[in-house]
Amino acid sequence: EADIYQTPRYLVIGTGKKITLECSQTMGHDKMYWYQQDPGMELHLIHYSYGVNSTEKGDLSSESTVSRIRTEHFPLTLESARPSHTSQYLCASSAGFSNQPQHFGDGTRLSIL
Amino acid sequence: GESVGLHLPTLSVQEGDNSIINCAYSNSASDYFIWYKQESGKGPQFIIDIRSNMDKRQGQRVTVLLNKTVKHLSLQIAATQPGDSAVYFCAENQAAGNKLTFGGGTRVLVKP
Repeated sequence: EADIYQTPRYLVIGTGKKITLECSQTMGHDKMYWYQQDPGMELHLIHYSYGVNSTEKGDLSSESTVSRIRTEHFPLTLESARPSHTSQYLCASSAGFSNQPQHFGDGTRLSIL
Repeated sequence: GESVGLHLPTLSVQEGDNSIINCAYSNSASDYFIWYKQESGKGPQFIIDIRSNMDKRQGQRVTVLLNKTVKHLSLQIAATQPGDSAVYFCAENQAAGNKLTFGGGTRVLVKP
């Protein structure tokens, strides 16, 4: 069982607020990822990191930003939330070797009013 | 398969029967493939993976088949149980670095 945790699980908040979604893993994985998933749809990669101080944008453009100051922690921030940001955000991690499975948290369901 | 909005392709299967879920992948250079199971309100859960140098891999009650000629991946679940009801996603690793591309999901409904 993977040990990757996301908080909060649910967040309903007004437009214009600054939001930080937390993601932590206790497996010592070098690689971490953020995905966006709308209900019933596939996952889209929005950010990834291959290690401390390394962050890259994913395949789907996102107004969010990420940071990786510690191996175990990969927070995602929205400076000014908008209704179009309403979605589920999933965090994942994997070991540093190639061709390793990604292990997912249970996600944050974000609703912007 | 591809999902169409909220109308996921759905596979209804009788409890105890075998299930086969299919996935067409896009990149002939992909070298690693994973099947995930996602239950309502949870993140995707790893089921089984396969590398491109193999065409079959078996786990507990699950088998993944890879046909590189037609870029097709399938997941077989033996003796399907109610706990197998979920959405199943395939994912391919298109390049070095463990970046996965996910296909649209398939919903499996197990009838008692």
